[in-house]
Amino acid sequence: GAGVSQSPSNKVTEKGKDVELRCDPISGHTALYWYRQSLGQGLEFLIYFQGNSAPDKSGLPSDRFSAERTGGSVSTLTIQRTQQEDSAVYLCASSPGLAFASYEQYFGPGTRLTVT
Amino acid sequence: QQQVKQSPQSLIVQKGGIPIINCAYENTAFDYFPWYQQFPGKGPALLIAIRPDVSEKKEGRFTISFNKSAKQFSLHIMDSQPGDSATYFCAASNPLSNDYKLSFGAGTTVTVRA
Repeated sequence: GAGVSQSPSNKVTEKGKDVELRCDPISGHTALYWYRQSLGQGLEFLIYFQGNSAPDKSGLPSDRFSAERTGGSVSTLTIQRTQQEDSAVYLCASSPGLAFASYEQYFGPGTRLTVT
Repeated sequence: QQQVKQSPQSLIVQKGGIPIINCAYENTAFDYFPWYQQFPGKGPALLIAIRPDVSEKKEGRFTISFNKSAKQFSLHIMDSQPGDSATYFCAASNPLSNDYKLSFGAGTTVTVRA
């Protein structure tokens, strides 16, 4: 079946511009996560959506970062006024969610963001 | 503050060797410990995971060893092959407290030479 998809795969933007990154989770998965992977680093948690519950935004590094999830499916991560330190690979993952008591997270291929 | 510490940063083995990657954690509330494999340009893929109620789990050539008292766990790759060359990440989470987000180690780049 289809896995997690993300678009675009690569994004180059100028410092100060806003960017939107999209994630399509696996169909039926109620949990969705965003992580950031900087060059040579591990993955850093950003935000977590579970069903209709309020998202866990505890990992967002600044108020320039926001995310939404429409209709419990597709999610968009928005970075406003991008800075060079925002350059990283942004990864989305989905999970069947609490109802299935599954902890497994399945990752998409990521969006490589470069801020010039 | 990194909640999961991973070592080594990189390692090189010959084909057939057994790369061993170690991870340590501080948060005793963690009770789910997955390992992910990542190839260049790809997202991480779940390899194997363990809960604290067992000390060892095997899936194919991959084995996790878990030491609850020491708060350490490790990945062994038996009979390693060049196709196993990738970056491996350990992670931990606390699903029983509805804290499903994963805390990742910094990663280990494994190179298996033919």
